[in-house]
Amino acid sequence: DAGVIQSPRHEVTEMGQEVTLRCKPISGHNSLFWYRQTMMRGLELLIYFNNNVPIDDSGMPEDRFSAKMPNASFSTLKIQPSEPRDSAVYFCASRTWDRSNYGYTFGSGTRLTVV
Amino acid sequence: AQSVTQLGSHVSVSEGALVLLRCNYSSSVPPYLFWYVQYPNQGLQLLLKYTSAATLVKGINGFEAEFKKSETSFHLTKPSAHMSDAAEYFCAVGNNNDMRFGAGTRLTVKP
Repeated sequence: DAGVIQSPRHEVTEMGQEVTLRCKPISGHNSLFWYRQTMMRGLELLIYFNNNVPIDDSGMPEDRFSAKMPNASFSTLKIQPSEPRDSAVYFCASRTWDRSNYGYTFGSGTRLTVV
Repeated sequence: AQSVTQLGSHVSVSEGALVLLRCNYSSSVPPYLFWYVQYPNQGLQLLLKYTSAATLVKGINGFEAEFKKSETSFHLTKPSAHMSDAAEYFCAVGNNNDMRFGAGTRLTVKP
């Protein structure tokens, strides 16, 4: 298994531009999570999906952020327009509901820098 | 609601000394508990997890943690620190919905 795959690994963009982060979860995992990591706020849960359906997006900072999961093997997190304060590392994680193998697997993250 | 408190944002130990990283949780339902490690500029790696089986959980790299319901704690220990253990450690609490992280503890290992 290739694990959770995130792309790109690094993204540098100018303020005001649209940014799209991508995630491919582990095949067979039922839930997908987007986290943001900053020095000031630590690891924050932004949104999560169960069976491709958004369940809780209360962690999404504002309307500039949106996330989609069109199918079981792909999710995107979009920021439009981007601002310097969005600079952070964004992690995607997937999880199985199988209690015998319960756990979250994280991708390597996307380091976003907005200048 | 669920949350995690990690006591001590920085812990420094000498090589060969005991490592103890503290974690207390709050959860309205029986929790799943995790410890993750993050090395500089890398992702999160699972050290160990508690999922309502044995209360003493052994993980990778010689780490272990004990679930104590009466104390709502899940402290991480290692008998003898190694230089390679220097990293950021995160405690997390999960349930059937999501997982929430503590603020993290940065472990420094002195030669």
